[in-house]
Amino acid sequence: KNEVEQSPQNLTAQEGEFITINCSYSVGISALHWLQQHPGGGIVSLFMLSSGKKKHGRLIATINIQEKHSSLHITASHPRDSAVYICAAASNTGNQFYFGTGTSLTVIP
Amino acid sequence: NAGVTQTPKFRILKIGQSMTLQCTQDMNHNYMYWYRQDPGMGLKLIYYSVGAGITDKGEVPNGYNVSRSTTEDFPLRLELAAPSQTSVYFCASSKQGAWGNTIYFGEGSWLTVV
Repeated sequence: KNEVEQSPQNLTAQEGEFITINCSYSVGISALHWLQQHPGGGIVSLFMLSSGKKKHGRLIATINIQEKHSSLHITASHPRDSAVYICAAASNTGNQFYFGTGTSLTVIP
Repeated sequence: NAGVTQTPKFRILKIGQSMTLQCTQDMNHNYMYWYRQDPGMGLKLIYYSVGAGITDKGEVPNGYNVSRSTTEDFPLRLELAAPSQTSVYFCASSKQGAWGNTIYFGEGSWLTVV
């Protein structure tokens, strides 16, 4: 069983739709990260959160520590949002990150 | 800002050959990591380092070696390449490990072993 589970694995949306990607984790964490990976490109950090909610532009990340669950929302989705979104749990032992398998998002014009 | 720089971007190796993936960061981060990413799988930790002179194995260390002689550099050595090592490799760094720190990734190195 993976320490971090994401759903859905693949997601296709029409431009303008509201998108939600879910992440559940089973390890103790110090923080939960959301990362973005474009095809053929590197990985960039979108959010790091340990409680509540964070917002950056059209992206919103939330976390429920009691339920060990986080969500990434994209409002008014755009084709440039097409990427793989990866959830990563930073272990509370300090040394390691545990990664989900990613959600591949395609936004169609 | 350079951040994390890894080279080469692409490489084709023959079975049994050896090579080194280079990784450099200019953020004075103590923690550095090497991950591999296989299709449909999450990033798997190969080796990590908590500072110069200190390295430790991750989940999938077999067939790899690392060294950390300076804070900036964390090269990954593949000895006797095998087809199972065909993957995308990412170097990453963070200031003080996973505790409330952003993790920064390199652009990735696509390695094919034939």
